[in-house]
Amino acid sequence: EPEVTQTPSHQVTQMGQEVILRCVPISNHLYFYWYRQILGQKVEFLVSFYNNEISEKSEIFDDQFSVERPDGSNFTLKIRSTKLEDSAMYFCASSEREGQDTQYFGPGTRLTVL
Amino acid sequence: AQSVAQPEDQVNVAEGNPLTVKCTYSVSGNPYLFWYVQYPNRGLQFLLKYITGDNLVKGSYGFEAEFNKSQTSFHLKKPSALVSDSALYFCAVRGTSGGSYIPTFGRGTSLIVHP
Repeated sequence: EPEVTQTPSHQVTQMGQEVILRCVPISNHLYFYWYRQILGQKVEFLVSFYNNEISEKSEIFDDQFSVERPDGSNFTLKIRSTKLEDSAMYFCASSEREGQDTQYFGPGTRLTVL
Repeated sequence: AQSVAQPEDQVNVAEGNPLTVKCTYSVSGNPYLFWYVQYPNRGLQFLLKYITGDNLVKGSYGFEAEFNKSQTSFHLKKPSALVSDSALYFCAVRGTSGGSYIPTFGRGTSLIVHP
């Protein structure tokens, strides 16, 4: 069964450094998402992406964040200057269509900012 | 604004007994409702969804959920719990008006099934 993959599984970085989290969505999916989950808290939406542009973003997704689909398979989340409060699990998801369609999640990247 | 409430942080049940994980929601328009399960160190795994039609939805691993419009609830159920069902369960909802396609997740309920 096809699945969403994410690398790395764990990223440790110093405050102020840039990080790039990588995702490979399911190949025939057209909609891509990033979510984060701070330890012990609920899953929060960050951004959705379709047709090479952002379709929706939350208030969490400020100017420090950016997303890109650099080639036909990868979908990346960049945090330009990490803060301590960016420490969380970051989940990538993809869906074939929008709306009622099921989003399939990757295993997540645990980001630790020191 | 849409919202989801999972009133129980933790549910404990003995193996073989029925289980219920509660979820209530608030949305504009008709709801699309989802249940996901998260095992330790894993991503969210889709269990089932309600879009329209029968109020009782059947999903993966013997789980089902009942949509109740009057009570704005979508409780997750299973007739006979397994120890392997122990995990974190998330309810999610998105509305059908307002133009947003993004689901809102609840805080999660930890299900512990005792042998």
